[in-house]
Amino acid sequence: EADIYQTPRYLVIGTGKKITLECSQTMGHDKMYWYQQDPGMELHLIHYSYGVNSTEKGDLSSESTVSRIRTEHFPLTLESARPSHTSQYLCASSDPGQGISEAFFGQGTRLTVV
Amino acid sequence: DAKTTQPNSMESNEEEPVHLPCNHSTISGTDYIHWYRQLPSQGPEYVIHGLTSNVNNRMASLAIAEDRKSSTLILHRATLRDAAVYYCILRLGAGGTSYGKLTFGQGTILTVHP
Repeated sequence: EADIYQTPRYLVIGTGKKITLECSQTMGHDKMYWYQQDPGMELHLIHYSYGVNSTEKGDLSSESTVSRIRTEHFPLTLESARPSHTSQYLCASSDPGQGISEAFFGQGTRLTVV
Repeated sequence: DAKTTQPNSMESNEEEPVHLPCNHSTISGTDYIHWYRQLPSQGPEYVIHGLTSNVNNRMASLAIAEDRKSSTLILHRATLRDAAVYYCILRLGAGGTSYGKLTFGQGTILTVHP
């Protein structure tokens, strides 16, 4: 049973607002990831972390930022939301095993910027 | 990063076996082959992974070619609940800044007919 949670599930917000998407896991995983996915399209890695105080940019450039102050928490922030940020954001975590560990995904946050 | 190639879509009938192919001709010796699937409106879920030998679990089987340049995910008896996008991913091995990254491609859309 996956213990990774994302809040909110759905968010509709106006242009220019600051938003934070929450992601928490209770499995003690060091690795955490954020993906962006448009409807019917593939997942794009936008941020990842190997542990506390470690964050890296993913394969797709994103205006969002992330932080990793605690192992279990990996929030994603948009300082000023724009309609181009409308998408689904998925969080995942995995053990640090050498390529063998499975990743667990949250249910996602569907963001709409109007 | 090593890439994977999958057919865009496949169809199957319920109760029949399904063989989902994946090509990864540039795979390195330390790359693990992972399969995930994404059901509609959900985050991806882990299916199976392997390195060199064929693998079986309760969900599926993974057949890996001897030269590791291709693999096949086998669903022994497809059900309607197996309709999803199936992703074949190379999980980068130890070492280097890309260690542990989980990069998704376009995947194969599997349609299961009653």
